[in-house]
Amino acid sequence: KAGVTQTPRYLIKTRGQQVTLSCSPISGHRSVSWYQQTPGQGLQFLFEYFSETQRNKGNFPGRFSGRQFSNSRSEMNVSTLELGDSALYLCASSPETGGLAKNIQYFGAGTRLSVL
Amino acid sequence: DQQVKQNSPSLSVQEGRISILNCDYTNSMFDYFLWYKKYPAEGPTFLISISSIKDKNEDGRFTVFLNKSAKHLSLHIVPSQPGDSAVYFCAASASGGTSYGKLTFGQGTILTVHP
Repeated sequence: KAGVTQTPRYLIKTRGQQVTLSCSPISGHRSVSWYQQTPGQGLQFLFEYFSETQRNKGNFPGRFSGRQFSNSRSEMNVSTLELGDSALYLCASSPETGGLAKNIQYFGAGTRLSVL
Repeated sequence: DQQVKQNSPSLSVQEGRISILNCDYTNSMFDYFLWYKKYPAEGPTFLISISSIKDKNEDGRFTVFLNKSAKHLSLHIVPSQPGDSAVYFCAASASGGTSYGKLTFGQGTILTVHP
């Protein structure tokens, strides 16, 4: 089975621009979560999607948004980029089956975003 | 408010010896705990997990221990190998609607295993 795929791997943007990141989950996984990793704050939860619906959201401003498609692929968008948005953005999928296995998330390699 | 803490930023161990990584949590709603390993330029890789109804889970060289009363868990790696050198993250999740798809991570511990 292919793992979680994130594209692109690297992005350079300037302040004020917007960016869209893409995530393809493991086949059969319907839950997709997004995280931001920075040296100062560590891994922070952004939001989670299941069956095209956002079920949970972390403490990030409204500039951060996402969506999920019917094939479970997900995108996240950051509008009006700020210098502080420079980070590694990680996507994770989970099987969302019955039992405790649904808690295990499998991560992609991430997208490294640099805002200049 | 850091709900999951890994108080040791780094750990250095000799090859063949035991590595013990520690993690503390404050949120009593957490009922599932996971350990991930991360290499530079890669995403975290799932290692092992434990439910709050257990106090130990073992998988090969990796064993996770959970002490609910102390809100403490630890990961034991025996024997340690140079390939185990990486950043290790402890993570926790809770059941229920406001916790869907959310893992709360510690800050990570850099493990270095010397040959």
